[in-house]
Order: sequence, then C-alpha cells, then structure tokens
Amino acid sequence: DARVTQTPRDKVTEMGQEVTMRCQPILGHNTVFWYRQTMMQGLELLAYFRNRAPLDDSGMPKDRFSAEMPDATLATLKIQPSEPRDSAVYFCASATMGLEAFFGQGTRLTVV
Amino acid sequence: AQTVTQSQPEMSVQEAETVTLSCTYDTSESDYYLFWYKQPPSRQMILVIRQEAYKQQNATENRFSVNFQKAAKSFSLKISDSQLGDAAMYFCAYRRVRGNQFYFGTGTSLTVIP
Repeated sequence: DARVTQTPRDKVTEMGQEVTMRCQPILGHNTVFWYRQTMMQGLELLAYFRNRAPLDDSGMPKDRFSAEMPDATLATLKIQPSEPRDSAVYFCASATMGLEAFFGQGTRLTVV
Repeated sequence: AQTVTQSQPEMSVQEAETVTLSCTYDTSESDYYLFWYKQPPSRQMILVIRQEAYKQQNATENRFSVNFQKAAKSFSLKISDSQLGDAAMYFCAYRRVRGNQFYFGTGTSLTVIP
C-alpha cells in the first residue's frame, strides 16, 4: 500500500530553534509539494518540486524557510529560526502528472 | 490564475440523509482535473473522488457522486445516506492536465447529526 510518509508527526519546539520536517514521497511520483494548513489561511502551497528540481517556492518565507530534495526518496522542509507564527500543520504530498495528490499525515508544529 | 471557491464554510446533515457541497472554479483551460478531498479529525487528507473535465459522465464512488457542470464551472459533491464517519472537512481542488500545481478551495466543514 503506497503512501507518503512524513516525520515527525508532532513537534513542539522553542522559538529560535531549527525545525526539520521530512517526507518520503511515493515511489515513482515525480512531483512533491509542501503545504501549510492553518485555521486562518487554510491550505497554503509553500513549495513544490518536479523531478527533484524546485519549481516554485514563492509561497515560502525565504529568510527562514528552505525546502530541498536531496534524492528521489526524501524531501525536507526546514525552518530556521522558528517563530510562534510558524505553528501549523505541514503537509507533504506527491503526485504524478495529471493525477491526484497523495498526502502524508502531516506534521503538527507548535513553536512556543 | 485559477481559483477554487467553496461558498459554504459549514454544512450539516442528518444521518442517512443526503447533502450536497458546492464548489466553483475559474479557469480558461478546457482540459483539467477536479477533485474532492476529505479531511477527518485525524487530519489525513483522503481523496474522495476525481473528475476529468473531458468526461461528460459524472464520477461516482459508492455513496459519493459529483454534479459536474463544465459550462458553469461548477463541481458539487453529493453524499448519499450520510454516515457519522462522513463528518470531516471537505476540500475541492483543481489541477490542469499539463500543470503541476493543485488549487484548493477553503473547505467545507460537514457535521453529521445522529
């Protein structure tokens, strides 16, 4: 049963700390997305990759967020330094051309 | 730019009854995909149903069906025989056939009343 795997599931950290979220996309999917979900903003697209190349990261605060795909089995989203306003659920999703996106279970980040 | 609008922030339905969730979208494309996702309290985003724009026939998955009106750019989800497990946030989404991005609506929170 193919699925997108995200770690950690929950993360509580102090303001100023670095946070790294990891995602293993479904094997064979060539597009990987990072979304952030909050009550106020809903689902926001932060960045996405196609064939491991970053295509769009315009939704991401560049000064503190970075997204990478070091290989086809791993995507990372880093926040450094973290701030309380970064508290949200972060989703990774993967897809192939034209088909639906498959979502991971999300990382609930709480920055105190 | 493509936009997806869900005008009903909240809906409720009696168990065993039928409910319809609305979605409209804006696009200049003729070929695209539309999706409904369900997000229960577990927060997992689950695909409910998919519609290809070139298909005139409305998609159906068990108790879930859509009413796809291409000219009106409308894509509503009908849930028949509602069950307690249908309670969730429902998101409508759009994707171009040759595109990468998904465009999501703001969601409709569905409550199922026993």
